[in-house]
Amino acid sequence: DGGITQSPKYLFRKEGQNVTLSCEQNLNHDAMYWYRQDPGQGLRLIYYSQIVNDFQKGDIAEGYSVSREKKESFPLTVTSAQKNPTAFYLCASSTGTLTGNTIYFGEGSWLTVV
Amino acid sequence: AQSVTQPDIHITVSEGASLELRCNYSYGATPYLFWYVQSPGQGLQLLLKYFSGDTLVQGIKGFEAEFKRSQSSFNLRKPSVHWSDAAEYFCAVGAGGFQKLVFGTGTRLLVSP
Repeated sequence: DGGITQSPKYLFRKEGQNVTLSCEQNLNHDAMYWYRQDPGQGLRLIYYSQIVNDFQKGDIAEGYSVSREKKESFPLTVTSAQKNPTAFYLCASSTGTLTGNTIYFGEGSWLTVV
Repeated sequence: AQSVTQPDIHITVSEGASLELRCNYSYGATPYLFWYVQSPGQGLQLLLKYFSGDTLVQGIKGFEAEFKRSQSSFNLRKPSVHWSDAAEYFCAVGAGGFQKLVFGTGTRLLVSP
């Protein structure tokens, strides 16, 4: 089945460590996104990519990094510079980045800093 | 910049009763409007979207929403709620050339027997 796969579902990280969240899609979508979700705050955009080898910062990019070496993959690294990384992270994709293209979401990854 | 307000944090509805979830947006031009649903610990699923045309939009799972420009609202409705509708619902607005959605803070729907 086509869809977006995020892994791992649950991840624990010690303070000072970097961690990478995986996102793979087989929908042949050009655009991919990373959102962060905190209780009571809705979703906030971290990074987005419109095409392979290109990506742009979203509203809360500090402390995060991404790469887009393949069309189907858009991993997110949460670095030690991210002050409050504990959150639910959602990867998404769409056929294009024009408003109106439906954004499809993965199942999410829970990151907890211990 | 656009913004979205969902004034109700929680709503409890009896099974079989009707539902209306409120969404107000702020944007200078005609917005693109979306409703998503999220089950606990899961991703978001698109219920419906409005771009232009008929202001009453039909979606999946028996949901509909009505765009009212004069009230800057895009309220979600369902005539008869099922226990499986219990979830969190997010309204979102998009504008401009780039698909940068702004989400509301969500409304958690509880369904009582």
